[in-house]
Amino acid sequence: EIVLTQSPATLSLFPGERATLSCWASQNIRTSLAWYQFKPGQAPRLLIFATSNRATGIPARFSGSGSGTDFTLTISSLEPEDFAVYYCQQRSDWPPSFGQGTKVEIK
Amino acid sequence: QIHLMQSGAEVRKPGASVKVSCKTSGYSFSNYAMHWVRQAPGRRPEWMAGINVGNGNTYYSLKYQDRVTVTRDTPASTVYLELSSLRAEDTAVYYCTRDFDIVAAPYTFDHWGQGSLVTVSS
Repeated sequence: EIVLTQSPATLSLFPGERATLSCWASQNIRTSLAWYQFKPGQAPRLLIFATSNRATGIPARFSGSGSGTDFTLTISSLEPEDFAVYYCQQRSDWPPSFGQGTKVEIK
Repeated sequence: QIHLMQSGAEVRKPGASVKVSCKTSGYSFSNYAMHWVRQAPGRRPEWMAGINVGNGNTYYSLKYQDRVTVTRDTPASTVYLELSSLRAEDTAVYYCTRDFDIVAAPYTFDHWGQGSLVTVSS
């Protein structure tokens, strides 16, 4: 099973700042990586699929990059609604698996 | 608008079973696979099972295959997750989620329910 490791565990930033979240895979997963946003009491939201493709309705401030084992989610300028927990997820190998998450909190 | 509405919170004793429902709307139910992902407190999300709604084929994590059953009611556009032999470690939020494209890019989850909390406690 592929293990995904995210860094940092917590990111403390001001609104308007840039957020850079990392995700490392234990094996080569090519570009088969997605990013999700989780907020308490809400339905999770798909942000990015296939490493760099924004899902429907996702603002352009969200972008994804990487390939192989190293991936990045960037939020160019944090809006108040972006403070949440973010998970990466791979579908390259079965079973699909998630990272342990990065919490983006207001500084 | 696509909507996945899950059943409410449940409390069960160890050894019991629970069945969670997920009623979908806003799209052609039979054209997409559905999955169940759970998140225990303080843990990462974990894929449990999926179903190709069109042909009824099911897919189970090896970790849960002896205890989990996923079914669908096509006229009602609803999928179900049943988990048996519950233990305290099964306390979690259970999410249903739609597969983005089961043929070209399976296991990308593009729409989610709000989650159903299942608590297992004696």
